[in-house]
Amino acid sequence: GAVVSQHPSRVICKSGTSVKIECRSLDFQATTMFWYRQFPKQSLMLMATSNEGSKATYEQGVEKDKFLINHASLTLSTLTVTSAHPEDSSFYICSVKDRGWAPTNEKLFFGSGTQLSVL
Amino acid sequence: GEDVEQSLFLSVREGDSSVINCTYTDSSSTYLYWYKQEPGAGLQLLTYIFSNMDMKQDQRLTVLLNKKDKHLSLRIADTQTGDSAIYFCAEKDNFNKFYFGSGTKLNVKP
Repeated sequence: GAVVSQHPSRVICKSGTSVKIECRSLDFQATTMFWYRQFPKQSLMLMATSNEGSKATYEQGVEKDKFLINHASLTLSTLTVTSAHPEDSSFYICSVKDRGWAPTNEKLFFGSGTQLSVL
Repeated sequence: GEDVEQSLFLSVREGDSSVINCTYTDSSSTYLYWYKQEPGAGLQLLTYIFSNMDMKQDQRLTVLLNKKDKHLSLRIADTQTGDSAIYFCAEKDNFNKFYFGSGTKLNVKP
């Protein structure tokens, strides 16, 4: 399966600062990556779909200016939480869809996640 | 979005079988998945099943799919303490969007 690296694993920042989270597809070129947010003891909420070379597609209710996504290369997507506030504290996880044809490309592989704590 | 429902907790003794259940609403789902999440980590794909299958077995894992009732289950045989984690079921819709359940926390007692 796909190998997905996410960095950093944990970040603590002051309110008002911006935080960048990186997601790398290590073993293949991913034209599409996904960003999820997970609250404690809750499910994953899809935030946006990151498309290489074009604008990200955001889910309803997710602020584009708040959560900036850049997918400048086929192996790297970044999520920047701008002007972070305590309510942005959460676990953020990226994922990539496996390559190839069905059924292999029907699988989603996840990074290890980033725990963001905003003070 | 689609609804995927799971019970929140399951507690079993080491060596027993665990059965985690999931119901979903999208009848057009083509694939259904089980993921495992350990504390502070991302999700690990355990297994998946194509919607035209009733059962899939992979070592200690058995997935049962009742498409009529939109019910998916994951059975873990000979459950070990290392199986303690949160288990998510997920479905993929025709637009390639994944929907996850709220997760079932499995606690394995020695």
